[in-house]
Amino acid sequence: GEDVEQSLFLSVREGDSSVINCTYTDSSSTYLYWYKQEPGAGLQLLTYIFSNMDMKQDQRLTVLLNKKDKHLSLRIADTQTGDSAIYFCAESTDTGRRALTFGSGTRLQVQP
Amino acid sequence: DGGITQSPKYLFRKEGQNVTLSCEQNLNHDAMYWYRQDPGQGLRLIYYSQIVNDFQKGDIAEGYSVSREKKESFPLTVTSAQKNPTAFYLCASSIDITGQEQFFGPGTRLTVL
Repeated sequence: GEDVEQSLFLSVREGDSSVINCTYTDSSSTYLYWYKQEPGAGLQLLTYIFSNMDMKQDQRLTVLLNKKDKHLSLRIADTQTGDSAIYFCAESTDTGRRALTFGSGTRLQVQP
Repeated sequence: DGGITQSPKYLFRKEGQNVTLSCEQNLNHDAMYWYRQDPGQGLRLIYYSQIVNDFQKGDIAEGYSVSREKKESFPLTVTSAQKNPTAFYLCASSIDITGQEQFFGPGTRLTVL
């Protein structure tokens, strides 16, 4: 079955880099996603990576994918207080319904 | 302004009552989804719809029902059969069932008293 796991909490200082990690079990995952959720709000898609890629960079965000180990990470450079939120890793497979399977989320706290 | 709207933002109901949550999108997307979020957990899929007049059960469909009579609208009814309905409900849409980007609405927090 599908399972996506993340650590629950990460605290960093403003200006440092943040690295949020995720592991997944479904080897048929096609796309892997990072979403951001601010308190009481819906999810905002930050970035996604196709499973045949190793890395994707988008401004302050860098996604690394190790398909062999089924490990995904999101690096946020120069973390700001506005980056404080819950970050969800999610996967989809190239079959059937295409709905996403989510991890339980990592709460990022940025200290001034 | 294109997007997904959900209403109301907060909803309170008495135990035993059915309640319907609204989800509307003006993105011209074919596929729509309902997820449930509980504290400290990820999102779980309740129902999804690939196209008008079609919908499929997700992982936790028991106690819920949906309809898809219009492309723009995908309302979710939480019935009295749902044993633990208090949660945050999120609606999403994508261009079609193969679309890689799902766009989310702001959510409805349902509290059953």
